[in-house]
Amino acid sequence: GQQVMQIPQYQHVQEGEDFTTYCNSSTTLSNIQWYKQRPGGHPVFLIQLVKSGEVKKQKRLTFQFGEAKKNSSLHITATQTTDVGTYFCAGPNTGFQKLVFGTGTRLLVSP
Amino acid sequence: DADVTQTPRNRITKTGKRIMLECSQTKGHDRMYWYRQDPGLGLRLIYYSFDVKDINKGEISDGYSVSRQAQAKFSLSLESAIPNQTALYFCATSDPDRGRIDEQFFGPGTRLTVL
Repeated sequence: GQQVMQIPQYQHVQEGEDFTTYCNSSTTLSNIQWYKQRPGGHPVFLIQLVKSGEVKKQKRLTFQFGEAKKNSSLHITATQTTDVGTYFCAGPNTGFQKLVFGTGTRLLVSP
Repeated sequence: DADVTQTPRNRITKTGKRIMLECSQTKGHDRMYWYRQDPGLGLRLIYYSFDVKDINKGEISDGYSVSRQAQAKFSLSLESAIPNQTALYFCATSDPDRGRIDEQFFGPGTRLTVL
């Protein structure tokens, strides 16, 4: 079945350092979504990318969708302690009936 | 008030017991989902429903059942709980017809421990 993998599984950075998580799908995706889950919280939608090669920015967060629409990345510039949490990518299955979530990347930021 | 609510928020039970987790939403969305979250495995879909009469199995439905009592309510049951069903369970809703972005809205989660 369709699989979505993320690397790294965990990363610990010092505040001010940059961070990147990578998402890879076993199949071509029509779009990709990103969610953030704060510790003890629930996943919250961040953004959706649709076009091949698309790049979107939200303040210090930069999201990219690969040219082949099988991979994506989330880059955080100058991390802050408020960035702590787990970041998930997700893409629709072939029939557009459901989302397949990635395995997640847990980010820890030390002050 | 939260748009998607889950009860209970925490539950400890014993092996073999029947457990029901409940989800309610006030968003008016047709689509509802149940996921379980385990460390390192991400969110895995258990069941999903597109309306009251449409219920579908997800990737890990064995050992679980669901009931869509109304558009706003979607319950998950563990008929005979086992320890490897210990996990964090999330309910979610979506409504793709309202726009191009089919984002999912998650409830606060239920932490279930099976001893």
